[in-house]
Amino acid sequence: KAGVTQTPRYLIKTRGQQVTLSCSPISGHRSVSWYQQTPGQGLQFLFEYFSETQRNKGNFPGRFSGRQFSNSRSEMNVSTLELGDSALYLCASSLDTSYGYTFGSGTRLTVV
Amino acid sequence: GEDVEQSLFLSVREGDSSVINCTYTDSSSTYLYWYKQEPGAGLQLLTYIFSNMDMKQDQRLTVLLNKKDKHLSLRIADTQTGDSAIYFCAETNTDKLIFGTGTRLQVFP
Repeated sequence: KAGVTQTPRYLIKTRGQQVTLSCSPISGHRSVSWYQQTPGQGLQFLFEYFSETQRNKGNFPGRFSGRQFSNSRSEMNVSTLELGDSALYLCASSLDTSYGYTFGSGTRLTVV
Repeated sequence: GEDVEQSLFLSVREGDSSVINCTYTDSSSTYLYWYKQEPGAGLQLLTYIFSNMDMKQDQRLTVLLNKKDKHLSLRIADTQTGDSAIYFCAETNTDKLIFGTGTRLQVFP
C-alpha cells in the first residue's frame, strides 16, 4: 500500500515568486491536511481538506492557499514568497481521526 | 488556547527505558498521538490513545494518559540506538493536530 507522496522533495525559490506543492494521499483517504515545520515555530497547521472542501484553516496569511481534487490529491500554493516561508511542508492523510494521520516525507522549500 | 509542551532533550543509555513526557491544555482532546521524526524525514506515527483510556501498550511502547492532569507519557522499553530521533506528542479534538515542541532522544552505547 503506497504511503503519502509529496512532490517535489526539494525546492529553491526566489523572494516574490510563487510555488505549488503537491500531495497524493493514501488510497481511500479523503482527508488531507498540511503543516509547516520550522526550527523557530515548530509544527503548525495550515489547512485541512475533506472531499474537496476546506474544513479547517490555521493562522496563516492569505498568501497560503490550497485545494483538493476529486481524486483526493491536494496542492498548496504560496504566493509572493518571503524568506520566512523557508520550511519543511508536510502533508498528512487520514481515513478518520481514530486511525491517526499518516505523513509524507515533506517538501523542503528554501526561499533565497 | 490549545498548547502542548514537552521537554527538549532526553539522553539514555542503550538498553535502558526512555520516558518522554507531554502536557496539554485542551481538555476536550479526543485523541493523543506520538510521532517520531528522524533527520530529513517526515513524521512516523508510533502510537495513539483515545482520551477515555489510561494506558496503551504496543510492543516496546507504553503510553500512559492522566486526563485529570492532562499529562501524556511515552515509555520505550529496551531503548536502541535506532530510537534516536525527535518525538512529538500531538492532540486533536477537531480535524487538526496540535503538536508539542518535540523531544530529542539521544541514545548512547
